[in-house]
Amino acid sequence: DGGITQSPKYLFRKEGQNVTLSCEQNLNHDAMYWYRQDPGQGLRLIYYSQIVNDFQKGDIAEGYSVSREKKESFPLTVTSAQKNPTAFYLCASSSQGAPSYEQYFGPGTRLTVT
Amino acid sequence: AQSVTQLGSHVSVSEGALVLLRCNYSSSVPPYLFWYVQYPNQGLQLLLKYTSAATLVKGINGFEAEFKKSETSFHLTKPSAHMSDAAEYFCAVSGPLTKTSYDKVIFGPGTSLSVIP
Repeated sequence: DGGITQSPKYLFRKEGQNVTLSCEQNLNHDAMYWYRQDPGQGLRLIYYSQIVNDFQKGDIAEGYSVSREKKESFPLTVTSAQKNPTAFYLCASSSQGAPSYEQYFGPGTRLTVT
Repeated sequence: AQSVTQLGSHVSVSEGALVLLRCNYSSSVPPYLFWYVQYPNQGLQLLLKYTSAATLVKGINGFEAEFKKSETSFHLTKPSAHMSDAAEYFCAVSGPLTKTSYDKVIFGPGTSLSVIP
């Protein structure tokens, strides 16, 4: 079955530690995205990538980093510089970066930092 | 710049009653509009999308939405609510690509739908 996988489902870390969230897709999509979701808020874009080896900052990129070495993979690292990292993180992909194409979402990773 | 507002952060309906979730957008160009649903601790799933082919769009699970340009609205409706419809619903807007920027998708804040037995 084609889709997007995110691992792990739940992640716990101590403050000051970097942590990497995995996102893999087998939909052969060019574009991939990372969003952050907080209670009562919509989705906020962290980073996006429209092609391998290229990515762009979204609205809240500070304290995060990404890489896009392979078409199917777009890992997100939450660094110790992120002041409030506890949140639900969603990865998505779309066939192209064009706005008429819907995004397909993974199941999400819930990160808790204490 | 595009934006999305969803009136009502929480809506409650009785099982079998009409579901109406409101979405208004602002866009300087003809937009593409989407409705997504999110069940607890899951990702988002596309319900339907408007891409200018028809103003009344039918989606999955009996939902539909009507694009009204004069009202800049894209409200989501379902004639009869089912218990399984209880979830968070997000309206989203995006616009045509420009030469200088990528028009990313803008999501509304979401509306939580409760269905009362």
